[in-house]
Formats: sequence, C-alpha cells, structure tokens
Amino acid sequence: GDSVTQMEGPVTLSEEAFLTINCTYTATGYPSLFWYVQYPGEGLQLLLKATKADDKGSNKGFEATYRKETTSFHLEKGSVQVSDSAVYFCALLNDYKLSFGAGTTVTVRA
Amino acid sequence: DTAVSQTPKYLVTQMGNDKSIKCEQNLGHDTMYWYKQDSKKFLKIMFSYNNKELIINETVPNRFSPKSPDKAHLNLHINSLELGDSAVYFCASSPLGIQGEQYFGPGTRLTVT
Repeated sequence: GDSVTQMEGPVTLSEEAFLTINCTYTATGYPSLFWYVQYPGEGLQLLLKATKADDKGSNKGFEATYRKETTSFHLEKGSVQVSDSAVYFCALLNDYKLSFGAGTTVTVRA
Repeated sequence: DTAVSQTPKYLVTQMGNDKSIKCEQNLGHDTMYWYKQDSKKFLKIMFSYNNKELIINETVPNRFSPKSPDKAHLNLHINSLELGDSAVYFCASSPLGIQGEQYFGPGTRLTVT
C-alpha cells in the first residue's frame, strides 16, 4: 500500500537557520504530494502541494520539489522564524485517499 | 467565519458510554472526512463522505458510525467507548475532485477514563 516516511523529530533550530525535513514515499501510480502544517492546538493546514514530477510547491518561504526518481518531496525553508514552530506532515494523495507521514515537530528558538 | 467547525472541543467520558462529535463546514465542499490523531501525532483517516455517500471506510471498529444528514454536516457517533479511543478527532472537507486540498477543523480531544 501507499506510505510516507518522514525524518524523525523533534527538530530544534535557532531563528534564521535553514530548515530541511526529509520525506520519501511509496505509492503505485502517480500520486500528488503535499505538506501540511499543524500549529499547537489547531487542525492541519495545507502548506504547499505538487501534482506531478518536477513540480515545485512553495508558500510562506517554504519549498518542496516532487522528485519522482528518488520518490522524495523534501521541505525546505531558508530562514525560519519562531512562528514556524509546528508539526509538519508530508502526505500523498492516491485513489482519493490522503496518506500522512508521522509528522515532524519543529521548534524554533529566538 | 469558521470554515470547518467541530463540537465539542473537549470530551471527557467514562468507558462504556456512547458519545457523538459534530462537524459542520460552510465552504460548500462536497467531501468530508474524519481522522483520528493519536498521542504521537500519527494521523489516520477513518471515513470519507462525498455528498452524503460513504466513499472511504477504513478498518475502524463498528462501534464508530458516521452520519451525514446533508453535505455540510458529518457527525461521528461512538458506542461503548474504550480507553484506546482516547485521541484527537479531526473533521475535514475538500472541494469536489480536489481531495488533496483538505480544510481541517480544530479537533475534538476525546478522553476516555
């Protein structure tokens, strides 16, 4: 079946540091890929998406590129802020179902 | 305006009880979902309805029964609650044909004692 593997957290960074969260997937066919973010005490919010190979999704300074050859969709941000502290989920859509990774908790210190 | 709302936000109850969680969306979406998030933040889909019709029914105990009275509402009823049902339950919705772009409610934290 489909699955998503994310790097384990927690990740702790200082403000203005570079953030990378690795995500790889296993799926049949050609899934769409997503990053969702969950701030403390809230539901998930869509952060960015990519629907086909080599697409780059971007939003709020975050970027991720759909790499079919390595089945990856790594999330990056060049300069994080304290407000980026959250849990980040990689997800894939296949057969109308969204499958999530285990989530990576990111804490940014001032 | 709240896009996806859930009630209650917190629910504390004893084993064996029956409880319901309600969800409403005002986005005009056709598809709605229930997810369970465990204490380690792992998120798993339970059910999905498209325009009141059940389309996803994952391996969930039949003590859990979703009901969709109309396409803006999806409720979750749980019978004979067990300790292992303690979790945060999220409702979500998505536009027709865009299942990946889901809008989540704030969650209902269920604690079974």
